[in-house]
Amino acid sequence: QVTLKESGPVLVKPTETLTLTCAVSGLSLTNSNMGVNWIRQPPGRALEWLGNIFSNDEKSYTTSLKSRLTISKNTSNSHVVLSMTNMDPVDTATYYCASGLPPDAFDVWGPGTLVTVSS
Amino acid sequence: SYVLTQAPSVSVAPGKTARITCGGNNIESKSVHWYHQKPGQAPMVVIYYDSDRPSGIPERFSGSNSGNTATLTISRVEAGDEADYYCQVWDTSSDRPVFGGGTKLTVL
Repeated sequence: QVTLKESGPVLVKPTETLTLTCAVSGLSLTNSNMGVNWIRQPPGRALEWLGNIFSNDEKSYTTSLKSRLTISKNTSNSHVVLSMTNMDPVDTATYYCASGLPPDAFDVWGPGTLVTVSS
Repeated sequence: SYVLTQAPSVSVAPGKTARITCGGNNIESKSVHWYHQKPGQAPMVVIYYDSDRPSGIPERFSGSNSGNTATLTISRVEAGDEADYYCQVWDTSSDRPVFGGGTKLTVL
């Protein structure tokens, strides 16, 4: 059974860098069928895909935020890390990690973690 | 970039049929996935590849995709179906996934 769980700070200040971790279990990050995605949802708003990473370390990012995002993985502890620089209050959102390879659905989601950007 | 359009809200009486649509240019050429999301919870797939149901999703949930509109149909709606519903496709031109804006289903 695949499970994912996000962790990280609940509060960051404007201009700071956000670092979130997705702990993956039940799925090897070296598995050729592995894809971990980051998706966020501002309060009361729609889902927004941020980016993903695959077993071969290939990554893809949403165009609008590409300059601010970095996704990496640590296969030794099965963690996928999202970094987002220069945080702004509009980045306040629940951040989810979810498994899924294109063109499949995002079949397993973490519970999400709410990040608030405020001074 | 590819855009998916959903009505913000749909209301239906218990026992009736709810139809939630997702509009996109020639969406029939893409595979559409549907998620529902209850307050405070992560989204969950209810339909994938236009019309397939994951195990555990009731047969009351079905999907179709034709022309410029994909549709999620929920038959014999129950109070527990009240949630936000999102459609999603992978945009092959950008090789990135796209979500619709979501539809809030209210059970009257």
